[in-house]
Amino acid sequence: DTGVSQNPRHKITKRGQNVTFRCDPISEHNRLYWYRQTLGQGPEFLTYFQNEAQLEKSRLLSDRFSAERPKGSFSTLEIQRTEQGDSAMYLCASSFGDRGGTEAFFGQGTRLTVV
Amino acid sequence: GDSVTQMEGPVTLSEEAFLTINCTYTATGYPSLFWYVQYPGEGLQLLLKATKADDKGSNKGFEATYRKETTSFHLEKGSVQVSDSAVYFCAAMTGAGSYQLTFGKGTKLSVIP
Repeated sequence: DTGVSQNPRHKITKRGQNVTFRCDPISEHNRLYWYRQTLGQGPEFLTYFQNEAQLEKSRLLSDRFSAERPKGSFSTLEIQRTEQGDSAMYLCASSFGDRGGTEAFFGQGTRLTVV
Repeated sequence: GDSVTQMEGPVTLSEEAFLTINCTYTATGYPSLFWYVQYPGEGLQLLLKATKADDKGSNKGFEATYRKETTSFHLEKGSVQVSDSAVYFCAAMTGAGSYQLTFGKGTKLSVIP
């Protein structure tokens, strides 16, 4: 197992286009998270899945954002009608357990640039 | 809502110097606390954690103690190395059904020979 895998690593898109990112968590991790990180800031929580159920969504997740985790394995994050303000690093993390304090393992992220 | 405040960088130290990076949190309940590190060109990695008051997390010579009375989780290392140059993030997880991490802004550490 090579850890959390994210694809693509980089994405440049024109404003108004739709983009989709994929995250493959560590096998058998039941929790999967998406975060967004802008330059000079810490990661900000976007959404969280336990198995296939999306249990939490941040206010940061506007209607243009949607995330799925079919069958409780990989996850996709789609941004529709991208805006320049969406430019950021999108991080995926996964963990295993049913209580707090468990370690979240992060992928290397997908860097989105909207031009 | 929950928040984490950590000292702003960048921090530049000479090799073998003592390191402290301050971190304080505001949270409902009793969060689990974490320090993550991001080396140049790499993803976030867990450095250490503490899940209850007075717990001390330690790893690679780094330590941090969960202080409930001061709501702090300061990161320390007695003798830094050039290889410790990275960005360090303090984070809190409230749990109780919410497993999101709340991160500080990060502190960039540069260690010079």
